[in-house]
Amino acid sequence: DTEVTQTPKHLVMGMTNKKSLKCEQHMGHRAMYWYKQKAKKPPELMFVYSYEKLSINESVPSRFSPECPNSSLLNLHLHALQPEDSALYLCASSRTGGDEKLFFGSGTQLSVL
Amino acid sequence: KQEVTQIPAALSVPEGENLVLNCSFTDSAIYNLQWFRQDPGKGLTSLLLIQSSQREQTSGRLNASLDKSSGRSTLYIAASQPGDSATYLCAVKEAGNNRKLIWGLGTSLAVNP
Repeated sequence: DTEVTQTPKHLVMGMTNKKSLKCEQHMGHRAMYWYKQKAKKPPELMFVYSYEKLSINESVPSRFSPECPNSSLLNLHLHALQPEDSALYLCASSRTGGDEKLFFGSGTQLSVL
Repeated sequence: KQEVTQIPAALSVPEGENLVLNCSFTDSAIYNLQWFRQDPGKGLTSLLLIQSSQREQTSGRLNASLDKSSGRSTLYIAASQPGDSATYLCAVKEAGNNRKLIWGLGTSLAVNP
């Protein structure tokens, strides 16, 4: 299994809603990532978990809250988002977080109304 | 500050052509370089990863080369097919403690039947 699975594929939420994005991998990878991608732009790194501990937070606003319940799962909790947060949210994993290939999920397309 | 540039920004070719996508970077102190493919509204697929000590990597009809001293990488696609139509992004992993991925803006490829 070389897949990273993200749910939901699409999400529409109001600015007062609370929602969560989910990501799962069963490749035994110990590093997991959240990226945000706007149309026609490259992905922007948000968070990195290494061995289930948050190792990088790229100064992301607190309305985004990551969680890594175990080595296979990664969540992104969303609360009080702004319309400018509308984007494709991508989860990725790699074996150890070192200099190896990144495996991406197919993303969650988020629209904030 | 590392900058990654991809030329051309867009490319349209007839089916069957061999083609070359270019990626240049300003700082040769890198750990590796990855080429990714992204279909519209989807996640990224890692195509080839070249470590800084390597000169090239091959996978099927794809060949990627790396010339670290001149700050260049090329992705060669042989006998292009309509299914190759996608955006191709290159990303450089910086050396040093940070070791962030620095992305190019991508080349949008259309292969016409």
